[in-house]
Amino acid sequence: DGGITQSPKYLFRKEGQNVTLSCEQNLNHDAMYWYRQDPGQGLRLIYYSQIVNDFQKGDIAEGYSVSREKKESFPLTVTSAQKNPTAFYLCASSTPGQLGRNIQYFGAGTRLSVL
Amino acid sequence: AQSVTQLDSHVSVSEGTPVLLRCNYSSSYSPSLFWYVQHPNKGLQLLLKYTSAATLVKGINGFEAEFKKSETSFHLTKPSAHMSDAAEYFCVVSGGISSGSARQLTFGSGTQLTVLP
Repeated sequence: DGGITQSPKYLFRKEGQNVTLSCEQNLNHDAMYWYRQDPGQGLRLIYYSQIVNDFQKGDIAEGYSVSREKKESFPLTVTSAQKNPTAFYLCASSTPGQLGRNIQYFGAGTRLSVL
Repeated sequence: AQSVTQLDSHVSVSEGTPVLLRCNYSSSYSPSLFWYVQHPNKGLQLLLKYTSAATLVKGINGFEAEFKKSETSFHLTKPSAHMSDAAEYFCVVSGGISSGSARQLTFGSGTQLTVLP
């Protein structure tokens, strides 16, 4: 079964702690994305990566970090610098496709809460 | 620059009645438009997409949307609502911006659809 797997489904963070959210895809997609979703808002882009060993900041990158060492994996670390991390985090992937026409496929999400 | 506005944050319909979820967009380029659905605590699933072919787009689960350039709209419709349609729906616009750029998607704030028995 091809798809995007996010883990864990639920995560709790203590004050001052860094936590890492996992995202793995077996769709052979080049591009991967991390979004944050807050209640009543659309998705906001945190980071994206078009190719292995390369990534760019999105609209709300502060307090987050990523790596892209393998095509299949794009983990997101929520650092202690992120003062309001409670949210639903969604990972997505896509083929580059025709410019601006790419369909993004989403994982099931990780809900992060602060203890 | 591009933006998308979903005109209703909540829509309630009775089962078996039509569904209309409204979306207006703005884009400096010829846009691609998408509708995604999200069930509680789940990821987003693509319902349908418009990419400059036919203006009436048919998607999964009986949904369709019509691209109207003169009105800059891309409203989502379904003739007869089912209880399983209850979810949050997102209208998304994508414009072909600079070469190689992958971050073109702009999401609306979502419309929560409630289906009453």
